Amino acid sequence: SQQGEEDPQALSIQEGENATMNCSYKTSINNLQWYRQNSGRGLVHLILIRSNEREKHSGRLRVTLDTSKKSSSLLITASRAADTASYFCATARQAGTALIFGKGTTLSVSS
Amino acid sequence: NAGVTQTPKFQVLKTGQSMTLQCAQDMNHEYMSWYRQDPGMGLRLIHYSVGAGITDQGEVPNGYNVSRSTTEDFPLRLLSAAPSQTSVYFCASSTANQGSIFAFFGQGTRLTVV
Repeated sequence: SQQGEEDPQALSIQEGENATMNCSYKTSINNLQWYRQNSGRGLVHLILIRSNEREKHSGRLRVTLDTSKKSSSLLITASRAADTASYFCATARQAGTALIFGKGTTLSVSS
Repeated sequence: NAGVTQTPKFQVLKTGQSMTLQCAQDMNHEYMSWYRQDPGMGLRLIHYSVGAGITDQGEVPNGYNVSRSTTEDFPLRLLSAAPSQTSVYFCASSTANQGSIFAFFGQGTRLTVV
């Protein structure tokens, strides 16, 4: 079964607003990653947060991790139309062999 | 430097036909994986490899075979296609850095089984 579950499944916002999506996972992890997928394309790595980190920033992205609740959140600030995409969280399957992805959150940013 | 190359981009098969989806990477990565993506299901791991000659099953391996004879190539074989295998297939090549795996994806193969 899939390790991560994103919430919400779909999110629609206006340009300039912030977008928050959440991920819950089942087992202990060394790190958690977020990926982005533009329509019809492959996934692209966005950001990684390690299990000993609580928060990490990269440009307009802010990721938090709560290992006690087995959850993570991805915040995109000041959203742009170009942020329209699906976002997935991913964790490593068993000691770093293959990534397991959640079902994703589809973000739509309208201008 | 092409990254991860998948061929073909589109394919239509009849039920019972066999075919091979090709995946090649030029980044000298040890790890390679195959995923299928279906609406509402996200990406599900089919098979993966941690090096040449080593493969293992993922979440949904039934109906698929893989082999890894070289570091660069990781083909996915459908032995007898079924309509349930209609999906978008993604190959990923991964590298490990300080205990973390970073995946690079191909552009996908859209497969329809009729």
